[in-house]
Amino acid sequence: DAKTTQPPSMDCAEGRAANLPCNHSTISGNEYVYWYRQIHSQGPQYIIHGLKNNETNEMASLIITEDRKSSTLILPHATLRDTAVYYCTGVSGGNQFYFGTGTSLTVIP
Amino acid sequence: NAGVTQTPKFQVLKTGQSMTLQCAQDMNHEYMSWYRQDPGMGLRLIHYSVGAGITDQGEVPNGYNVSRSTTEDFPLRLLSAAPSQTSVYFCATIRWATTYEQYFGPGTRLTVT
Repeated sequence: DAKTTQPPSMDCAEGRAANLPCNHSTISGNEYVYWYRQIHSQGPQYIIHGLKNNETNEMASLIITEDRKSSTLILPHATLRDTAVYYCTGVSGGNQFYFGTGTSLTVIP
Repeated sequence: NAGVTQTPKFQVLKTGQSMTLQCAQDMNHEYMSWYRQDPGMGLRLIHYSVGAGITDQGEVPNGYNVSRSTTEDFPLRLLSAAPSQTSVYFCATIRWATTYEQYFGPGTRLTVT
């Protein structure tokens, strides 16, 4: 089964870049990688997704390795409001999304 | 647009009781799904639907039923509640064949005693 692996927790100083890694070695060649975050116990919020190329939007950047076995979400200037659990997710069988246990990011003042 | 709405926000059940968690969306999205999230855990897929009249099982379907008679609604039924079903339940939608970005509802906190 397709799976993702993330470190359970990370700290980042406010104003610095937060780099959150994800291993998705079982992802297939045509499956996107998605990143979501969950603040407190709210519903997860979409951040960004990518297939092969690096992607950037107003929230974050996504770097995907050439072999597609891992990716890194980059929050360029972390703020206290970025404290959340970040999930790297994928799709299994074309229409079943799977979430791992995520990384709890704490932004420190 | 209200987006994805879930009712109720909180519910307490006794073991053996049944109930339906409601999920509604006004975005005309084809794909709808239900997840459960246990304390300190990620989300696990219960059931999903790629369109009206079509449903399928996810990772943890036992003890739950779903139906999709309209595009807008995707109710989740607990047939006979058990303490192991104490969890937070999230409904999500996707406009299929586009960005596959999921839109999540605010969740329903269920406690089974």
